[in-house]
Amino acid sequence: EPEVTQTPSHQVTQMGQEVILRCVPISNHLYFYWYRQILGQKVEFLVSFYNNEISEKSEIFDDQFSVERPDGSNFTLKIRSTKLEDSAMYFCASSLQRSGANVLTFGAGSRLTVL
Amino acid sequence: AQKVTQAQTEISVVEKEDVTLDCVYETRDTTYYLFWYKQPPSGELVFLIRRNSFDEQNEISGRYSWNFQKSTSSFNFTITASQVVDSAVYFCALSEGNQFYFGTGTSLTVIP
Repeated sequence: EPEVTQTPSHQVTQMGQEVILRCVPISNHLYFYWYRQILGQKVEFLVSFYNNEISEKSEIFDDQFSVERPDGSNFTLKIRSTKLEDSAMYFCASSLQRSGANVLTFGAGSRLTVL
Repeated sequence: AQKVTQAQTEISVVEKEDVTLDCVYETRDTTYYLFWYKQPPSGELVFLIRRNSFDEQNEISGRYSWNFQKSTSSFNFTITASQVVDSAVYFCALSEGNQFYFGTGTSLTVIP
């Protein structure tokens, strides 16, 4: 069964460092997403991406964050200068359609720990 | 206001007991979709079910069943004859338009 893969599974970084989280969505999916889950809390929407541009983003997704689809298969989330509060599990997801019916297929997540 | 409310933060049951996880949602849209996802201890989010707002038929899949009631804006999830492998955090989610909202999750522990 096709799946969304994410790397790394866990990254530890120092505050102020740049971090890139990588995702390979399902190959025929057209819409891509990043969500965040701070430990023990709910899953929060960060950004959605379609046709090589951001389609929607939340208040969390400030100037420190950026997304890119550099090569047609990878979908990356970059945090420019990490803060302690960026420590969380980051989930990538993809979907075939953009409608409300879309089923988001999630990756296993990348746990980011900022020290 | 919360779009999706899962009032039960944690539930513990003994193996083989039935358990119902509650989900209440809020929307003004007439077309929307409801989901349940499972997050096992390994951390990934696993899709369980999608239900559209026009289909109030209850659904059963093995030991899992879902009760969708528009009158009470609820989409409850029941696990019958629970097993230790059911231990996980379960998230209810609402999709309206192009927005996807998760509840805060219910942590289920099944005690052997």
